[in-house]
Amino acid sequence: KNQVEQSPQSLIILEGKNCTLQCNYTVSPFSNLRWYKQDTGRGPVSLTIMTFSENTKSNGRYTATLDADTKQSSLHITASQLSDSASYICVVSVRSGGSYIPTFGRGTSLIVHP
Amino acid sequence: DAGVIQSPRHEVTEMGQEVTLRCKPISGHDYLFWYRQTMMRGLELLIYFNNNVPIDDSGMPEDRFSAKMPNASFSTLKIQPSEPRDSAVYFCASGPRDRLIYTFGSGTRLTVV
Repeated sequence: KNQVEQSPQSLIILEGKNCTLQCNYTVSPFSNLRWYKQDTGRGPVSLTIMTFSENTKSNGRYTATLDADTKQSSLHITASQLSDSASYICVVSVRSGGSYIPTFGRGTSLIVHP
Repeated sequence: DAGVIQSPRHEVTEMGQEVTLRCKPISGHDYLFWYRQTMMRGLELLIYFNNNVPIDDSGMPEDRFSAKMPNASFSTLKIQPSEPRDSAVYFCASGPRDRLIYTFGSGTRLTVV
């Protein structure tokens, strides 16, 4: 069964600190992995997307890594800001015929305190 | 670009009533997706369309749910009859042909009492 597991479920850090969120998946055959940020009451917004051949992708203070051998991804946030408080969702897709089928993680809830 | 537009933002209805959620995708996007998000189950893909044609509706929970896309600029998700367990945030998203990036709407928060 295709699954995406994220950890930790929730995280509280102080403003300015770094943090790393984890995503493990059993999705196969792998096509791509995306990290989304979802602010409370809003729709998810794409942060990064990585295909099989990519092992790191940065978007400002966000850096995602991918190890396709161990089926693990991480999202590292540098010098956190209050606006980083949100849910972070890992989505792994398989390619089936002409379609991409996504499997969603449950998300990590991040709270950044001043 | 106004992004993906969903309406209404909030809907409160009584059990047994029909509910219709609406979505206007980004112009030029070939794909449209309907998702449901709850605390218990997270984000779930319900159905998606390619060029207005439903491709995969295996995520639709039961026959009470139906979705249509009569043209490239409009889609509806209908629940009839609604039940309290349908209470959730329903998101619509659209994506271009390569489908690597989805753009989500702001969601409709549905409460069935």
